[in-house]
Parts: sequence; C-alpha cells; structure tokens
Amino acid sequence: AQTVTQSQPEMSVQEAETVTLSCTYDTSESDYYLFWYKQPPSRQMILVIRQEAYKQQNATENRFSVNFQKAAKSFSLKISDSQLGDAAMYFCASLYSGAGSYQLTFGKGTKLSVIP
Amino acid sequence: EAQVTQNPRYLITVTGKKLTVTCSQNMNHEYMSWYRQDPGLGLRQIYYSMNVEVTDKGDVPEGYKVSRKEKRNFPLILESPSPNQTSLYFCASSLYSDQPQHFGDGTRLSIL
Repeated sequence: AQTVTQSQPEMSVQEAETVTLSCTYDTSESDYYLFWYKQPPSRQMILVIRQEAYKQQNATENRFSVNFQKAAKSFSLKISDSQLGDAAMYFCASLYSGAGSYQLTFGKGTKLSVIP
Repeated sequence: EAQVTQNPRYLITVTGKKLTVTCSQNMNHEYMSWYRQDPGLGLRQIYYSMNVEVTDKGDVPEGYKVSRKEKRNFPLILESPSPNQTSLYFCASSLYSDQPQHFGDGTRLSIL
C-alpha cells in the first residue's frame, strides 16, 4: 500500500514570490510515478507536473518545478513568480501500476493562498 | 474536444434510493477510475478499470459498484446510498497506466 503525506494544510505566498509545497510518500514499489494536481475553486483537477521515479532529473513545467529526492521519498513542488491564479488546493499523488493493480493515492492537500 | 463527462453534476437524494452516476470519455482511454473527495481527506480511489470487463477495488469500495461494458463508459452505482456517502465524486481516465489522468468536473452527491 502507498501513503502520501502533505504536512502543510495551508500556506500563503506574496504575489511574485516563490513558495515550496512539501510532500512525502511511502511505497515498497520500485517503479512508480508522482504527480502534483491543482484544484482551483471551480473544483476541476488540473495536472501541474509529473515525475517518473526512475528519472533522477527533476521535472519542470514553466514556473513549476519539483525537488525529487528518491532516497528520502520526498517530492516537493516549487512555484516561482507566484500569480493570483495559483491560489488553489494542491494535491500530491503517487501512482503504482503493476501486477494487475492500478493505484493512484493522493495526499490530503495543501491550500495555497496568494496575497496581492 | 477531449473530455471526461460526468452526470449528474449535483444530486440530492434520500437514504436507500438506488442511484447511478455516469462517466463517459471520448479519448479511447484504457484506464478509468472513480474517486471521492472529502474535506481533510483528499481524494480516495473507489474503483478502477484497466479495460472492458476488467474492474477492481480501490481503497474505499464499500457501498459502491461499477461496470465497464464499453470502453468509453464507467458508471458508479450506489445500490443503497447512506449519508456517509455524501461527497464529491470524480471520474478520471488515462490512455496508458503511467500517464496522468484526465478528470471529469465532479459530481456533488448529498444523501439525506
């Protein structure tokens, strides 16, 4: 079984500043994938970034980047030059698919506020 | 437009009255899942399907049923809903097992 922990229920950041959201996970599998999803007040689930566990290089997507520390099972999300539209719930998730199983496990989320 | 469509978007019903939440995707995706989202708990997987006629339990399957008779549809059935199933439900799909899922817009269920 996988577990995903987001230790910061809420965070805030000044517009144009940088913020880092924390995520740790636990899995016994060697092949898995990690994601960050954003959920704005409209409640849509929007993919922010994806990381393959077998890749050492940290994924980046415009202003969003991750710090993936496989040995520590840590997968934090950095948002640079924060914008008002970044205000949302952010969910970290771990995907394992193998041996006839397909498990996507989410953390409890971090609510990010952006202060103008 | 590529999308995952859930219906209804909102439903208020009473305990014990069977209901079905439909989910349809137009992307020919193999993998489909249902999740429920509750405050402070994040999203939890209810059931998933890896192909037609292939379904399996997720983390919280009690009280739910699913079927996958066609690739595009993956309905969620509550045979005898109870108030603890009041939640926000999401259907999602992906083409391959290692790809991120596309989510529907969610269904808000209230069971009185």
